[in-house]
Amino acid sequence: EVQLVESGGGLVQPGGSLRLSCAASGFTVSGNYMSWVRQAPGKGLEWVSVIYSGGSTYYADSLRGRFTISRDTSKNTLFLQMNSLRADDTAVYYCASGGTYSSIENWGQGTLVTVSS
Amino acid sequence: DIQMTQSPSSLSASVGDRVTITCRASQRISKYLNWYQQKPGKAPKLLIHAASTLQSGVPSRFGGSGSGTDFTLTISSLQPEDFATYYCQQSFSTPYTFGQGTNLEI
Repeated sequence: EVQLVESGGGLVQPGGSLRLSCAASGFTVSGNYMSWVRQAPGKGLEWVSVIYSGGSTYYADSLRGRFTISRDTSKNTLFLQMNSLRADDTAVYYCASGGTYSSIENWGQGTLVTVSS
Repeated sequence: DIQMTQSPSSLSASVGDRVTITCRASQRISKYLNWYQQKPGKAPKLLIHAASTLQSGVPSRFGGSGSGTDFTLTISSLQPEDFATYYCQQSFSTPYTFGQGTNLEI
């Protein structure tokens, strides 16, 4: 059974950093394309980043340079390093794994990141 | 970036109704269009990928169509569990943008 479990969310001050983790089971993160999607309170879904099985990474234009997606194959874990955090980065961050036609087939339960002083 | 525009933003319907939600892409995306359902406090769920392919386990009352720039999600006969928010997403080119969502309510 495929399972994705995020951790690392919490309260952080503006300008601070946070690293989210996503522990995967039932498949290998290195063999799939993995994504992060976020959702601000009461708002819609926003695509954040993707890392393909070959290692290529892509980001939402507004986040490039502040966020970094990576993976640890030995731990079968996906990461999202978030720097220079702003209030508008406050959201539930979902870890997700890919499906056919680059759809998102599997989702974690989400982890809440709150950026506030 | 490819912009995805859904309509309507909200929709009131009743059990048994046939409902259609549309999604328009700002440029041609072939059939790289996915539909998701999200209920409050839950992660989204993939309903349809490649514009018209029903995800395993999704009831057959859900259907998708379209290609190029215009797509539709149809629910043939609404059930109580279908009241939720629906999102389209293009996976043709990064960033893989979502539509703004359609809130389907009673």
